[in-house]
Parts: sequence; C-alpha cells; structure tokens
Amino acid sequence: AQTVTQSQPEMSVQEAETVTLSCTYDTSENNYYLFWYKQPPSRQMILVIRQEAYKQQNATENRFSVNFQKAAKSFSLKISDSQLGDTAMYFCAFTTTTSGTYKYIFGTGTRLKVLA
Amino acid sequence: GAVVSQHPSWVICKSGTSVKIECRSLDFQATTMFWYRQFPKQSLMLMATSNEGSKATYEQGVEKDKFLINHASLTLSTLTVTSAHPEDSSFYICSVRLLTDTQYFGPGTRLTVL
Repeated sequence: AQTVTQSQPEMSVQEAETVTLSCTYDTSENNYYLFWYKQPPSRQMILVIRQEAYKQQNATENRFSVNFQKAAKSFSLKISDSQLGDTAMYFCAFTTTTSGTYKYIFGTGTRLKVLA
Repeated sequence: GAVVSQHPSWVICKSGTSVKIECRSLDFQATTMFWYRQFPKQSLMLMATSNEGSKATYEQGVEKDKFLINHASLTLSTLTVTSAHPEDSSFYICSVRLLTDTQYFGPGTRLTVL
C-alpha cells in the first residue's frame, strides 16, 4: 500500500529564518507526482509546489524549494525567509498515474507557526 | 491553476434534513472532481471521485446512499448529504483535476447539523 508520512506534527520558526518540513512516502511505482499544499486558517488548500518523480532536478517556487531524494523516498519542503503569512498547516501529497484517477494520498500534516 | 468555488460556504441544518453542496470549476472544464471530508486538525479524507456523465466512485466506508454525488456537467459537481445527523457535521472540500495530475481545491463548506 502507498503511504505518506509527515513525522513533525508541529513546528515553529522565527520570521526571516529558514525551516524544513519533512515528508517520506512508500510506493512501488516508478512514475508518480509529489506535492506540498498549504492550508492557512481560512482552510483554503493552496498548491505550494509540485515535483515529478522522473525529474531529478528539485522543484523551486520563489521562497519554497524541495529536496527530492527518490531512492530514499523523501520529499522535504524548505521555506526560506519565512513570513508571518506562511503560518499554516502543510500537507504532503502523492499520486500515481497507474490508477487512472490520480487520487491523492495525503500525509497527516505539519502545523507551522512563524513567530514575529 | 484552476479557480474552484463552493456554495454554500457554511450551512446549518436540522437533523433529518438534506443538504446540497455545489462545487464549480470556474475557468476550466473538469472531467474529474473529488470530494473530501476534513475533521478539525486532521488531514483530508477522500470520500469519492466524481466523473462527468458517470456514477461516482466511492471510497471504502463511505455510504453511497447518504452522500449522493452528481457530476452533471464539466463545471459542476454536487454533494448531497441526505438525512443529515450531527455526526455528519464536518468541513467538506471539493477539488478539480485538470488534464494533468494536479488538483485545485475549492474553499470548502462547513456543515453543522443540529
């Protein structure tokens, strides 16, 4: 069975500092996609970053970058220059092409608090 | 990305009544939509996959007769909670899958059953 694990229930970081959220997954598939979503207090799920498993280059989106280690099945999110608006729940998600429906498997989430 | 709306954003109903939640893809035609349920401080739980023009595919443990899903057009899917009870109170979120693997989410609907 495919699983996604986020081992850090809560984290905090000082404003302007850097923080890394961890995510590991388990799959026997070779073609898949990984995502980080942010859910602020408004509860709107917002796509932060997306990684295709067949691409070796780590995805980046402005202050957000990932460290994708395919062999280790690890997909961590680094937030640089943290801002108060980054305070949110962060979910790691996984999907494969084989099911045909692209259903997501979500991790349990990491609650990040950015401190002023 | 896609812009997804949900209506209503918050609904309160009496036990035993039915509630309909709409999910609209505003700028893309979506052949596949998903419905999730989220309890406080928990992750999203997939309830069903909604395909335009065909019956929804429900996840194990989700009652089909209680949570009716209709994907009548490429831009609209509805979730009807029938004979709602207090234990159905939750936050319901829909998402749209475009041609790629990425899902875009609606803002969610908070359901409170008294």
